[in-house]
Amino acid sequence: GAGVSQSPSNKVTEKGKDVELRCDPISGHTALYWYRQSLGQGLEFLIYFQGNSAPDKSGLPSDRFSAERTGGSVSTLTIQRTQQEDSAVYLCASSLSHTQTQYFGPGTRLLVL
Amino acid sequence: KQEVTQIPAALSVPEGENLVLNCSFTDSAIYNLQWFRQDPGKGLTSLLLIQSSQREQTSGRLNASLDKSSGRSTLYIAASQPGDSATYLCAVNQLGNQFYFGTGTSLTVIP
Repeated sequence: GAGVSQSPSNKVTEKGKDVELRCDPISGHTALYWYRQSLGQGLEFLIYFQGNSAPDKSGLPSDRFSAERTGGSVSTLTIQRTQQEDSAVYLCASSLSHTQTQYFGPGTRLLVL
Repeated sequence: KQEVTQIPAALSVPEGENLVLNCSFTDSAIYNLQWFRQDPGKGLTSLLLIQSSQREQTSGRLNASLDKSSGRSTLYIAASQPGDSATYLCAVNQLGNQFYFGTGTSLTVIP
């Protein structure tokens, strides 16, 4: 594809429900990142995938958050038992490697009621 | 932990003016530094990437410099235009594959 795509673009859910956010990186990009941007805050690193290596999960805020990357391409970020403080824009980025330019998707706006 | 600071938080300039945005970071052990712009409700667009061994990068009216030893980077925008209005973010690629972002400078260019 032409760029990084994310779905859904917007998600409204009730507190306590699980949500899945999807990211399709640029074809051939081995590095994939998830970030969270809360209102008025900077971007917060969540998780990083590089090829087939074990992901760097050091940024995940709690064990309710998890992510997978299947076949080295598409990634899914799952938030279990959502809380209101999970409301944010979740951004995905990919790059050829961790030392190269990151290309961002448009983000998923999550609102937890 | 790496801390990235951007000053000023907001800036308003008349069209045509040259301007400088500042980014500082606390840990100089970095791979590179990247400048992005973010338009309201949109994702981030990469502007310039400076590797740790480089001093500056240029793209059109944009010039980014990096002084790793002092933990500073600047983004220079020449002859600003209303279309440059956006939030500008710097991100430091820390050794260990993590990216740390500043909170951004919100730029408004007044026609």
